[in-house]
Amino acid sequence: DAGVIQSPRHEVTEMGQEVTLRCKPISGHDYLFWYRQTMMRGLELLIYFNNNVPIDDSGMPEDRFSAKMPNASFSTLKIQPSEPRDSAVYFCASRRTEVNTEAFFGQGTRLTVV
Amino acid sequence: GQQVMQIPQYQHVQEGEDFTTYCNSSTTLSNIQWYKQRPGGHPVFLIQLVKSGEVKKQKRLTFQFGEAKKNSSLHITATQTTDVGTYFCAAPRDGGTSYGKLTFGQGTILTVHP
Repeated sequence: DAGVIQSPRHEVTEMGQEVTLRCKPISGHDYLFWYRQTMMRGLELLIYFNNNVPIDDSGMPEDRFSAKMPNASFSTLKIQPSEPRDSAVYFCASRRTEVNTEAFFGQGTRLTVV
Repeated sequence: GQQVMQIPQYQHVQEGEDFTTYCNSSTTLSNIQWYKQRPGGHPVFLIQLVKSGEVKKQKRLTFQFGEAKKNSSLHITATQTTDVGTYFCAAPRDGGTSYGKLTFGQGTILTVHP
């Protein structure tokens, strides 16, 4: 398996623009997570899905952020409109439904909003 | 909600010296996981601890889970330059066996001087 695949790897956009980050989880994994990493806040859980259904989005910072998982092999995280403070590395991770299983992370998307 | 506090935030060591990072929780944890993130990389799972007082070893790395299951530590013996990176502990946010809500500590950034 290729692991969790994220795209793009890097994104530079202007303030106010819409940004869409993409994730393909590992096949067979039924949990998908979106994390944001910054020096100030560390690794923050934004939202996670189970069987394509959003379970907890309490970590989503504002209404400007939205996430979807239309099927088991694809998820998006959208920021509209983007702001400079959204600059961070966004990670997608997936895991299986078994007790105490590890999370597998993608390579991340480094977002810079100027 | 469940908070996992990790110390120290930074640790600089000379190659060959030992290194330890600690995680503490105010509530009992069902399990705790440890991850390593190399500079510019993504978090990679190292190990999971489940039982009270559990100790696991991976070569020069020793992981411990406290008797009360509220704290954990990672100890590296005789550090090498390849140990450089950020070490995270992670636990279910609600302290239970929830498959989701994996909360990460702030991480300890380890630098090793040759």
